[in-house]
Parts: sequence; structure tokens; C-alpha cells
Amino acid sequence: DAGVTQSPTHLIKTRGQHVTLRCSPISGHKSVSWYQQVLGQGPQFIFQYYEKEERGRGNFPDRFSARQFPNYSSELNVNALLLGDSALYLCASSIVGTRFWRSPLHFGNGTRLTVT
Amino acid sequence: DQQVKQNSPSLSVQEGRISILNCDYTNSMFDYFLWYKKYPAEGPTFLISISSIKDKNEDGRFTVFLNKSAKHLSLHIVPSQPGDSAVYFCAASASNTGNQFYFGTGTSLTVIP
Repeated sequence: DAGVTQSPTHLIKTRGQHVTLRCSPISGHKSVSWYQQVLGQGPQFIFQYYEKEERGRGNFPDRFSARQFPNYSSELNVNALLLGDSALYLCASSIVGTRFWRSPLHFGNGTRLTVT
Repeated sequence: DQQVKQNSPSLSVQEGRISILNCDYTNSMFDYFLWYKKYPAEGPTFLISISSIKDKNEDGRFTVFLNKSAKHLSLHIVPSQPGDSAVYFCAASASNTGNQFYFGTGTSLTVIP
């Protein structure tokens, strides 16, 4: 079975540009979460989506936005890129739902974003 | 404010011996905990979980212990194998924040053959 897939794997952008990152969850998983991992740190929560609705948002500026599509895939958008946005962006899916609201996250391999 | 802390950046263990990775947390609302392993250029891989109704959970060579009064959890790997060499992250969540997890900064484990 396919795991969580993310695209692209690497991306180089310049300051002020916009970026869109994509994620496909594990089949049957309806929840998608986005995390940012800066070098030397653990992943930091950005968003959680479940059934196409935002269910949680971390401490990130409004330049960060996301959405989930009817097939449960998701996009993370970042506007007006700053140098500090350079990081590994991880997407995770989980089987949370009406029966399991707490369940492990299953991560993709991430998108490495470099802002110059 | 780091709510989940892994105070040991690195750990080296001989093959066949026990590896003990530690994690502390400050938020008393955390009640569900995960451990992940991460290889370079890959995403974190889920290893084992524990909820606050338990103080121990075991899965093969991996055992997680939870001490709620001390706000401390640990991951034991027995016996350690060279393939276990990776960065290990602990993560915690609270019931009032759903499936949002707070991660520690990771411990790099090296298992020496």
C-alpha cells in the first residue's frame, strides 16, 4: 500500500514568492496534518484538516494557508516567502474520525523548501 | 516555549545492549504520546504509542514507559541493532487539541557494531 506522498521533494524559491506543496494521504485516512521542521528541531504543527475542514492551526502567520480536497489530498500554501520559511515541510495522515479521534500520524518524506 | 523536551541530543550504545531514550513534558494536559524514528532524507516513522491510562506499552524490541507524576517517558530498545541508528522524536498531544502533536527536538542514536 502506498504511504503518504508529497510533491515536490525539493523546491528553491526567492523571497516574496509564493509556494504550493501537495500531499496525498494513505488510502482510507481522512485527516491530514502539516508540520514544519527546521534543522535541529522537531516538527512543529501548522494545520490539521479533517473531512475538508480545518480542525487545528498552529502558531504560524496568515501567510500560511491550507485546504483539503474531496479525495482527502491537501495543499499547503505559503505567500510572501521569507528566508526563515526554509525548512522541511512534512505532511502526515491519520485515521482519526468519529471512532478514533486520537491516532498516530503517518508522515510522508517531506518537501525541502529553500528560500533564497 | 518547548513543552516537550529531549535533553540528550545524542546517545551511543553497543550492539546488543539496551538503548534508553528519555523525554520530558511540561503540559499536564498531555495524555497521548508517540515515539518516532527518523532516517536522513525520510519522514518520521511511527514506532509506538502510549496513552495516559497505561504506564507501559510494549511492541517487540520497543517498550515505552510513562511516569505521569514526573511528566516523563522513556523508550527502551532491547537488543539494540545497528539499523536502529537514527534520530528519535517523542511527541505528545492533549485531548482538548485533538490530534495536534508537540514534538521534542530529537535524540540521535548510534548503535555501534
